[in-house]
Amino acid sequence: QAGLTQPPSVSKDLRQTATLTCTGNSNNVGNQGAAWLQQHQGHPPTLLSYRNNNRPSGISERLSASRSGNTASLTITGLQPEDEADYYCLAWDSSLSVWVFGGGTKLTVL
Amino acid sequence: EVQLVESGGGLVQPGRSLRLSCAASGFTFHDHAMHWVRQAPGKGLEWVSGLRWNSDGIRYADFVKGRFTISRDNAKNSLYLQMNSLTTEDTALYYCVKSDAFDIWGQGTLVVVSS
Repeated sequence: QAGLTQPPSVSKDLRQTATLTCTGNSNNVGNQGAAWLQQHQGHPPTLLSYRNNNRPSGISERLSASRSGNTASLTITGLQPEDEADYYCLAWDSSLSVWVFGGGTKLTVL
Repeated sequence: EVQLVESGGGLVQPGRSLRLSCAASGFTFHDHAMHWVRQAPGKGLEWVSGLRWNSDGIRYADFVKGRFTISRDNAKNSLYLQMNSLTTEDTALYYCVKSDAFDIWGQGTLVVVSS
């Protein structure tokens, strides 16, 4: 099962803006969007954004999700040290009838 | 407090079986789909299986079909994963996850398949 494509790593300076991408196809990201999850080392993932791009309560307003065609994006503004983590996208594939994850992006805040 | 607690992991030899459990609390378990997601050491997240609130719509990732069986007991607020014919590639931390929003995750239970 093909997964979603994410860049393995992104590095940005403190207080800058990072945009993470997640590319799929018309059966997954392009169909119902993608959710975004954050995982700090040694901890379970935390949901950052639902597939409709809304944030769960308690998630920072510095994070916003969007979609254009078959690519979903997560933008984090005003980067802080605590934003350094692995980020995963997740989508339902309506053709394969399975959930698919991206390979994850390791965000480094310099 | 919404909580998912996995159990049943451990060290098992290749070819053997293991049954994972997930105890849910703090929310109406029978209202939600549930999933298992795994993460091999140092690797990314991998969806394993999921089912709807009423046990319909059971789906599996290709790599587990025919070997793993997902089930739930709404009366016990519990989710299960029966894993048979385990291989070394099944070594991972297995997470129990609430709903198709994947909004609540347990701490995971570690499965190590090794001779």
